Amino acid sequence: GAVVSQHPSWVICKSGTSVKIECRSLDFQATTMFWYRQFPKQSLMLMATSNEGSKATYEQGVEKDKFLINHASLTLSTLTVTSAHPEDSSFYICSASGQTGTYEQYFGPGTRLTVT
Amino acid sequence: GEDVEQSLFLSVREGDSSVINCTYTDSSSTYLYWYKQEPGAGLQLLTYIFSNMDMKQDQRLTVLLNKKDKHLSLRIADTQTGDSAIYFCAEKLVSSASKIIFGSGTRLSIRP
Repeated sequence: GAVVSQHPSWVICKSGTSVKIECRSLDFQATTMFWYRQFPKQSLMLMATSNEGSKATYEQGVEKDKFLINHASLTLSTLTVTSAHPEDSSFYICSASGQTGTYEQYFGPGTRLTVT
Repeated sequence: GEDVEQSLFLSVREGDSSVINCTYTDSSSTYLYWYKQEPGAGLQLLTYIFSNMDMKQDQRLTVLLNKKDKHLSLRIADTQTGDSAIYFCAEKLVSSASKIIFGSGTRLSIRP
């Protein structure tokens, strides 16, 4: 199957700073990328859907000014957590889809963010 | 609405079959999935089934879909210690830009 990478795999930052997480599709062009967050022992919650070259669509309750998503190319999407707080500590997972109407959606390995 | 539900825990004896159940509410789903997540890791797609199918078998895995009752199950035959993980049921919606909705996950533990 296709490969999706995330960088970094884990990050620790201080409260009030911003953190950028990258999601890359390594061997296919991802027209759509999805960002999820997962709290310990909980399910994945979809945060936003991004299509290359257009603004991301955020799920209800997700602050778009706090979680900035950029999908500048067909192989890269970034999630920036701005002015991070301890409650933003979570596991962030991206997924990428190259074609509509098919089952394929490939998940990255996740990024663990800890805000101190 | 969009909702996928699973029981939180399942414990089985090594060598027995495990059956993990899932119910969903959105009838517009196109694909239904089972993902496996081991501690600290990302998601691994185990198997999927198209919404017009009733059953799919892949080695030790059998997926059953009852579309009328909106019920999906995953059977793992001859469960091994390496099967210990959280299993997520998920559905892909045709109505919402192909986003995937996940269940809460079922933690499968294996006892000797």
